[in-house]
Amino acid sequence: NAGVTQTPKFQVLKTGQSMTLQCAQDMNHNSMYWYRQDPGMGLRLIYYSASEGTTDKGEVPNGYNVSRLNKREFSLRLESAAPSQTSVYFCASTRGTGPNNEKLFFGSGTQLSVL
Amino acid sequence: AQSVTQLGSHVSVSEGALVLLRCNYSSSVPPYLFWYVQYPNQGLQLLLKYTTGATLVKGINGFEAEFKKSETSFHLTKPSAHMSDAAEYFCAVSDSGGSQGNLIFGKGTKLSVKP
Repeated sequence: NAGVTQTPKFQVLKTGQSMTLQCAQDMNHNSMYWYRQDPGMGLRLIYYSASEGTTDKGEVPNGYNVSRLNKREFSLRLESAAPSQTSVYFCASTRGTGPNNEKLFFGSGTQLSVL
Repeated sequence: AQSVTQLGSHVSVSEGALVLLRCNYSSSVPPYLFWYVQYPNQGLQLLLKYTTGATLVKGINGFEAEFKKSETSFHLTKPSAHMSDAAEYFCAVSDSGGSQGNLIFGKGTKLSVKP
């Protein structure tokens, strides 16, 4: 099993450009998450989808949009990238409707630089 | 509101020495507590978690943590460090009980193991 797959692994954008980060899981998980990781800040939740057809804002949603395309796929879109969005982005999933009772499975991350 | 404080952004130990990584939490509800580990260039993996019941929790790779309500702490320990333990460790608390909480991560502690 591949687990959680993120594409691309690396991306460089210019300020104002748009892009979509893709995430897919093959574990039939219900919940999916997008986090960003910044040095000295830990992980912060951007958006999540507790089940297919639902999405909710996390701690730092400004400047991002998400789409839960189907049960497998959860994409993160930057409409107009800003240097403050330079970060490592992680997608994660879990079997239940949240990570309290079932562990999160993480992808290997997307390193995004916005110049 | 829930929060997590990890004391020490970097900890260095010698191989074979005790590992102690400190985590204190704040929670307005009975806490669900977690330790996740991130190896270089990888996503996070669950080490262990506390939900209810026994306050000493054992995890993978010889790690354990003790929930101390009176001290609002959930420190991570391992009796004897191995080179392969070098990684970044994140403490997390759920923002609610039940099945639909989201995790609030600490800023992380990078563990170095000297030969």
